[in-house]
Amino acid sequence: NAGVTQTPKFQVLKTGQSMTLQCAQDMNHNSMYWYRQDPGMGLRLIYYSASEGTTDKGEVPNGYNVSRLNKREFSLRLESAAPSQTSVYFCASSELAGGRTDTQYFGPGTRLTVL
Amino acid sequence: AQSVTQLGSHVSVSEGALVLLRCNYSSSVPPYLFWYVQYPNQGLQLLLKYTSAATLVKGINGFEAEFKKSETSFHLTKPSAHMSDAAEYFCAVSARGGSQGNLIFGKGTKLSVKP
Repeated sequence: NAGVTQTPKFQVLKTGQSMTLQCAQDMNHNSMYWYRQDPGMGLRLIYYSASEGTTDKGEVPNGYNVSRLNKREFSLRLESAAPSQTSVYFCASSELAGGRTDTQYFGPGTRLTVL
Repeated sequence: AQSVTQLGSHVSVSEGALVLLRCNYSSSVPPYLFWYVQYPNQGLQLLLKYTSAATLVKGINGFEAEFKKSETSFHLTKPSAHMSDAAEYFCAVSARGGSQGNLIFGKGTKLSVKP
């Protein structure tokens, strides 16, 4: 089992360029998430998908779009990158238990720099 | 709404000393509580979780945490620090009634271990 995989691992963009971050999980989880991590800010939720076919905004959705392609894959798109989007991006997946999120399993992260 | 507060963004201990990382939560309903560890340039890994069974939870690498409802706390401890414990630690809460699918993370505590 690979768990949660993310591509690419590193990326450098120029302001205004676009790119898509890919995420896949092989644990048959219904829920998937995208976070960004910045120094001193902890993890902030960008978007999540509670199940295939649904997506919802998190705490910091501006400047991002997502696609839940199927149960395994959840992609994050930056349409016009800005320096403020320089960050480390993590994808995660989980199931619900007792009506609430159970353990989230994280990918290794994508380190994005926008010049 | 749920929230998590981690007291101390940096904690430094000597090798062999007690590790105590503090986490207080706010939740209007019984929560699930988690501790994650993040080693440099890696994703987050689950250390342990509380899901309303035993209040003293044992995790990996000798860590444990105690759920104290009266104090709304879930502090992480390890009797004897090892150099390999140097990492960043995140406390998180998940509760029914919040935005479905969300874990709310604290801002993290970076643990340094001195030889």
